[in-house]
Amino acid sequence: QKEVEQNSGPLSVPEGAIASLNCTYSDRGSQSFFWYRQYSGKSPELIMSIYSNGDKEDGRFTAQLNKASQYVSLLIRDSQPSDSATYLCAVEKGSARQLTFGSGTQLTVLP
Amino acid sequence: EAQVTQNPRYLITVTGKKLTVTCSQNMNHEYMSWYRQDPGLGLRQIYYSMNVEVTDKGDVPEGYKVSRKEKRNFPLILESPSPNQTSLYFCASSHGGDYGYTFGSGTRLTVV
Repeated sequence: QKEVEQNSGPLSVPEGAIASLNCTYSDRGSQSFFWYRQYSGKSPELIMSIYSNGDKEDGRFTAQLNKASQYVSLLIRDSQPSDSATYLCAVEKGSARQLTFGSGTQLTVLP
Repeated sequence: EAQVTQNPRYLITVTGKKLTVTCSQNMNHEYMSWYRQDPGLGLRQIYYSMNVEVTDKGDVPEGYKVSRKEKRNFPLILESPSPNQTSLYFCASSHGGDYGYTFGSGTRLTVV
């Protein structure tokens, strides 16, 4: 079992719709969870972090964490064509803050 | 401007010729990491460091070395590069907590 698993996609949604991205992790000792966005040929860019069970909202983005189910999700409301990118789920653990990434979900927002 | 700077951005080299990819951050971050990114395999951690002189292996350390003599610098060394080390490499740094890791712009390495 991979340490961090994401639906590989690709995922297509129409402009203005809600995009839902999912991630599961295997290590119950994981302490922090992140969503990164990566445009083709560019470096990953942090968009959300979450530590506690529940929802965390930042603008059009909502991260959800359920530690009992070992599940993290990202909702993007009012999706825009500029949101088209690969979204990477990352899980952090240990005192050295090791960050392990899922393989990413490619999102396309259709105008 | 707060940033992680990697050099070079692109590098083509021959098998066996030692090379160093430099990484420098200006944010006084304790934590630094190197990743490689390959199609279908995602981002995989090579080495990480939690402070000066403290480094450890990640998931794919074979064929790589690192050093952390100063807080701001974390160079990646390939003593004898091989074609299977052709990849896109990212350096990243973090203060910890809410801020996650900040990534450099990447180094595209080709070993022929």
